[in-house]
Amino acid sequence: DAMVIQNPRYQVTQFGKPVTLSCSQTLNHNVMYWYQQKSSQAPKLLFHYYDKDFNNEADTPDNFQSRRPNTSFCFLDIRSPGLGDAAMYLCATAHGPTNEKLLFGSGTQLSVL
Amino acid sequence: AQKITQTQPGMFVQEKEAVTLDCTYDTSDPSYGLFWYKQPSSGEMIFLIYQGSYDQQNATEGRYSLNFQKARKSANLVISASQLGDSAMYFCAMRERMDSSYKLIFGSGTRLLVRP
Repeated sequence: DAMVIQNPRYQVTQFGKPVTLSCSQTLNHNVMYWYQQKSSQAPKLLFHYYDKDFNNEADTPDNFQSRRPNTSFCFLDIRSPGLGDAAMYLCATAHGPTNEKLLFGSGTQLSVL
Repeated sequence: AQKITQTQPGMFVQEKEAVTLDCTYDTSDPSYGLFWYKQPSSGEMIFLIYQGSYDQQNATEGRYSLNFQKARKSANLVISASQLGDSAMYFCAMRERMDSSYKLIFGSGTRLLVRP
C-alpha cells in the first residue's frame, strides 16, 4: 500500500511549457520535501514544508515553485522548464521535524524535449 | 565543503557474502542522525537503517547493520549474506538542522552489484 504517491510516474514536457508534478500522502505527516535527482547524482533538496511553513533552499532556481493546499497534497510547479531540469523528482514526508525516517514516493521522471 | 562522503562509486560482491559500504560525515552539531537508503533501478528511495548520534549501540535491521564510529565520523553500512536483489544504488545521508526543521543531505552514492 503506497503511502506517498507521486503522479505521474513519467512526465514529458516541452522546453518552456509549464509543468506540475504532484505528491500525496496518507500518513498525515507534517513535513513534506521535494528533491531533484539528476542521473547518477545524489538527491538535492529543492524545498520543504513544515505544516504550512515553506522553506526554500538558497540555490533553488526561481523557476521552481511549490504549493501545499492541505496536509495531504504538495505540488511542484516548474514555470519554464529547461533541458537542464530533466531529472527524477522525489517527494518525501516525515512525521515531525526530527524525521528519524523520511518516506519517499516512487518519483516522477521528467523529460524536457 | 562535502558533508557526506562515499568514496566507493561502485562495488562488487559475490552472492551470500558480506559487503561494507563506506560513509564518512562532517558536522559540528552534537545531535545528528545518519541514514542509509537503497535506490533500485526503478527509482524509489527505500529506507534501510538509522543511527542517532547519541545511540550507544550500532543500529541493526535484519541483514543490515551500521558500523558507527563516532570519533572517526564514519557510518559504514554492512550487508550480510548478499542477495541478487541487493543490487542497487546505496546512499548515505545525514540529518542537518535548518531553522525550524531538518533536512537530509545525501552522499554521492555507491552502486552495488551482486554477482551470482
